Amino acid sequence: ETGVTQSPTHLIKTRGQQVTLRCSSQSGHNTVSWYQQALGQGPQFIFQYYREEENGRGNFPPRFSGLQFPNYSSELNVNALELDDSALYLCASSFFGGKTEAFFGQGTRLTVV
Amino acid sequence: AQKVTQAQTEISVVEKEDVTLDCVYETRDTTYYLFWYKQPPSGELVFLIRRNSFDEQNEISGRYSWNFQKSTSSFNFTITASQVVDSAVYFCALSPGDDKIIFGKGTRLHILP
Repeated sequence: ETGVTQSPTHLIKTRGQQVTLRCSSQSGHNTVSWYQQALGQGPQFIFQYYREEENGRGNFPPRFSGLQFPNYSSELNVNALELDDSALYLCASSFFGGKTEAFFGQGTRLTVV
Repeated sequence: AQKVTQAQTEISVVEKEDVTLDCVYETRDTTYYLFWYKQPPSGELVFLIRRNSFDEQNEISGRYSWNFQKSTSSFNFTITASQVVDSAVYFCALSPGDDKIIFGKGTRLHILP
């Protein structure tokens, strides 16, 4: 079991609403990355945060945004939810520039209806 | 372009059989990392191995072994004497460094008792 925790575990939202997902990184890690995993697919990189700034972004629209806090925890915000946003959202923590692997949390399953 | 291909969508084997999961990757980078992750039904991605592009030595860890061949851009994963607990989705992944991890679509492995 990794030290990465995500909340909530499950969430149901209505199309057009906004959602915030949270992630606490593993002790000693300073980088958080977010991934979206649609059903039957591999995780897709959304963005990465290091030193409280976005450090790399995948092919996701601006309505996907994030924050990293001084304690290295992070939030993923999605505005104007669409049905296709229904997915498992995974958070990964790592040490930037180090030799360690990324550890993933258990994910938040978001359903948009 | 960077890409990971796992041609086997789903595999079923009887317990105690050996099984190999194939992974082929594409990248123009000379330095990169390759990974294998296991995703049980709970959803969390469990790290199995990380290999950098300069280390082509095969690795064995218990019943697990990995064969990295740079000449064919492959990083295959073999489970020896499979067990029911090995049933899961397995992802091969590629990373150029500290930025995003690019995942394949995964191979769903069923170990039948």
